[in-house]
Amino acid sequence: AQSVTQPDIHITVSEGASLELRCNYSYGATPYLFWYVQSPGQGLQLLLKYFSGDTLVQGIKGFEAEFKRSQSSFNLRKPSVHWSDAAEYFCAVALSGGYNKLIFGAGTRLAVHP
Amino acid sequence: GAGVSQSPSNKVTEKGKDVELRCDPISGHTALYWYRQSLGQGLEFLIYFQGNSAPDKSGLPSDRFSAERTGGSVSTLTIQRTQQEDSAVYLCASSQRGTNTDTQYFGPGTRLTVL
Repeated sequence: AQSVTQPDIHITVSEGASLELRCNYSYGATPYLFWYVQSPGQGLQLLLKYFSGDTLVQGIKGFEAEFKRSQSSFNLRKPSVHWSDAAEYFCAVALSGGYNKLIFGAGTRLAVHP
Repeated sequence: GAGVSQSPSNKVTEKGKDVELRCDPISGHTALYWYRQSLGQGLEFLIYFQGNSAPDKSGLPSDRFSAERTGGSVSTLTIQRTQQEDSAVYLCASSQRGTNTDTQYFGPGTRLTVL
């Protein structure tokens, strides 16, 4: 069965530090991959998505993610974190060839120290 | 409207009562999804609508859960005889066509508490 693993439940970084959030997926074919962010009391907002082509994708708010097929990973990165980035981040996969039913990871909660 | 809206934002009910949760998708979006976010289970897919039809209901947890969509727009998720394990945030999302490349736009959710 398809699954998404986010190994880190909670991460704390200092403002201005770099960030990497890990995501691994289990799926037989090339999946469609997404990163969403959820701020307190808010709905989910799409940060970026990968379907094919260049394995390094750029998203909103200065985020980027790299698809590595050999590692079944799609890690999210940001070179310099801002206090407003504190939120919960979800990696998701959609099955190829069908409609956009998302399978989510458990999420990583990011705290940012001033 | 500008985004997906859901109502109510919060709902507290007693065990055994029925509840209805409403979702207004972005105008013109043919695809609509319901997800549930709970502490124990994370974010789970419930049901997918394409127009007024629901080709995938595989995520509905039991026959106490049902959903409909009318006019290709508003959707209602109904939970009958609510149980405490139904307590969760119910999220609705819509997308333009429902293909894998579409972006899903999420509403703010309805927080359901079953006492």
